[in-house]
Amino acid sequence: NAGVTQTPKFQVLKTGQSMTLQCAQDMNHNSMYWYRQDPGMGLRLIYYSASEGTTDKGEVPNGYNVSRLNKREFSLRLESAAPSQTSVYFCASSENWGAGYGYTFGSGTRLTVV
Amino acid sequence: SQELEQSPQSLIVQEGKNLTINCTSSKTLYGLYWYKQKYGEGLIFLMMLQKGGEEKSHEKITAKLDEKKQQSSLHITASQPSHAGIYLCGADNLRGGADGLTFGKGTHLIIQP
Repeated sequence: NAGVTQTPKFQVLKTGQSMTLQCAQDMNHNSMYWYRQDPGMGLRLIYYSASEGTTDKGEVPNGYNVSRLNKREFSLRLESAAPSQTSVYFCASSENWGAGYGYTFGSGTRLTVV
Repeated sequence: SQELEQSPQSLIVQEGKNLTINCTSSKTLYGLYWYKQKYGEGLIFLMMLQKGGEEKSHEKITAKLDEKKQQSSLHITASQPSHAGIYLCGADNLRGGADGLTFGKGTHLIIQP
């Protein structure tokens, strides 16, 4: 099915370990986003890529890096995981940036850092 | 202050009753989205509103955007257990850039049988 695919779905890390969350979309969308969701906080933007070749910081970028590998793929890297990064991570894409294009979300990655 | 205020934070409603969730911004809303999330699952798109005074309905859920485009409401008629979950509103480009959706903190809805 067309959409946004996130891998892995679940992950447990030890403090200090690194990992990369993968996101791929097959809708030829230009813009991609990474959010984290914590209880009582809604979704907060970590990084975004308005178009292939560009990335920008969102509301909560500290401790993360991203790579827009190509138009389809947008990865999120935790270089040295901390317990505060325990969260549910969602990737999303939209046809373009600007109002009214709509967003497609992945099913999420549940990350626990111990 | 929160850019997108959602109220109430939680809501317990008896099955069959109506309910309303509100989403308010101090800035003009150019695209307002409503999502539903079952606990532990992903986001389900409900509706998008763009025009002042716009109203959309799907089954027993109606969403409205006020004429000033600063407030939206989500109304559920004759609530059912399947309506339980977290409801999130999100606004396009609230910070004026290409940074996608800004979300409210969500409303937890519990339906009591």
